[in-house]
Amino acid sequence: DTAVSQTPKYLVTQMGNDKSIKCEQNLGHDTMYWYKQDSKKFLKIMFSYNNKELIINETVPNRFSPKSPDKAHLNLHINSLELGDSAVYFCASSLGDNTEAFFGQGTRLTVV
Amino acid sequence: GENVEQHPSTLSVQEGDSAVIKCTYSDSASNYFPWYKQELGKRPQLIIDIRSNVGEKKDQRIAVTLNKTAKHFSLHITETQPEDSAVYFCADYNTDKLIFGTGTRLQVFP
Repeated sequence: DTAVSQTPKYLVTQMGNDKSIKCEQNLGHDTMYWYKQDSKKFLKIMFSYNNKELIINETVPNRFSPKSPDKAHLNLHINSLELGDSAVYFCASSLGDNTEAFFGQGTRLTVV
Repeated sequence: GENVEQHPSTLSVQEGDSAVIKCTYSDSASNYFPWYKQELGKRPQLIIDIRSNVGEKKDQRIAVTLNKTAKHFSLHITETQPEDSAVYFCADYNTDKLIFGTGTRLQVFP
């Protein structure tokens, strides 16, 4: 059983399009995150949700809109895609403060 | 905001040698420090973590040390093997989020 799963694994799309990435965790965790990993492998937090409520938005452009329909799901919708959005996006979840974060397998987004 | 510095960015060692990766954090309120390993094309996975009430923790060939006064923590891998080759990230839990270091690419040559 996959603890944190995200779909799709690969996404190739043209500039200006809108796309979504879905994430689900079956660990019963209250906290979920989105991270962006760029070509230099830097892992940067984008959003943090706790029990469906937005806790952190790390100055991400408002073209990125996370949505948490319930605490097991955190989806990421991106409008008007730009070349610089190309990266691997990781969803993660944790039990709460100061606990291990479990990562999904990542979604490699390529904007052409 | 909180900042985590990690060194070196790349590290090459011979199989059987030891590898040490160092991190520095800025906020003295931080008290949870995990280390993640990311193999090529895979997700980051926790390999060891340490909390601020402990100075050292060991798990087989991997150990982590923490110096809260100096705000340093380090990962030590002994008797390295080719399968240890990966990117390693330190992290610091601060203000409701995990903040990652910039990563160290470790290559272990047979």
